[in-house]
Amino acid sequence: KAGVTQTPRYLIKTRGQQVTLSCSPISGHRSVSWYQQTPGQGLQFLFEYFSETQRNKGNFPGRFSGRQFSNSRSEMNVSTLELGDSALYLCASSFLGIQETQYFGPGTRLLVL
Amino acid sequence: GENVEQHPSTLSVQEGDSAVIKCTYSDSASNYFPWYKQELGKGPQLIIDIRSNVGEKKDQRIAVTLNKTAKHFSLHITETQPEDSAVYFCAASIPNDMRFGAGTRLTVKP
Repeated sequence: KAGVTQTPRYLIKTRGQQVTLSCSPISGHRSVSWYQQTPGQGLQFLFEYFSETQRNKGNFPGRFSGRQFSNSRSEMNVSTLELGDSALYLCASSFLGIQETQYFGPGTRLLVL
Repeated sequence: GENVEQHPSTLSVQEGDSAVIKCTYSDSASNYFPWYKQELGKGPQLIIDIRSNVGEKKDQRIAVTLNKTAKHFSLHITETQPEDSAVYFCAASIPNDMRFGAGTRLTVKP
């Protein structure tokens, strides 16, 4: 069974731009969650999508948004990038949600200049 | 909201020794406590988890204990091996949120 895949793996953007990251979950998983990992703030929960609906949301500004498609693939968008958005963005998939076994992808490393 | 504290931040042990990592949480509504291992360049991998209705769970060399009254839970790794070297994260989850500890960098010396 293929694992969680994320594209692209690395990305460089400049302040003010926007970025879209993609996540393909494990086949059959309906829940996709996104996390931000930085040296300063650690791992932080961004949001969770289940069956194309945002079910849970962490404490991030509205510049961070996402969506999920009917095939459970998910995208995360960050608008008006700031230097502090530089991070490793991880997605995780599971059958039922964040309180079940989650399988993480390798992450997308975003650098904002 | 939930606050998770994890100690120690770094831990170095000799191969074959045991390693213990401890976490405390603040929200008594937390009911799911996973532990993740993250190796360089990879995403976190679940190694063991425990729910609030269970006090202890074991899987081969790895065990987790939960004390709901004191709001703390611990990861125990016995007979450590060099391949156990990684960063370990604890987490505490309520139904609509998950908070992580800051991580423990474990080094197992051969």
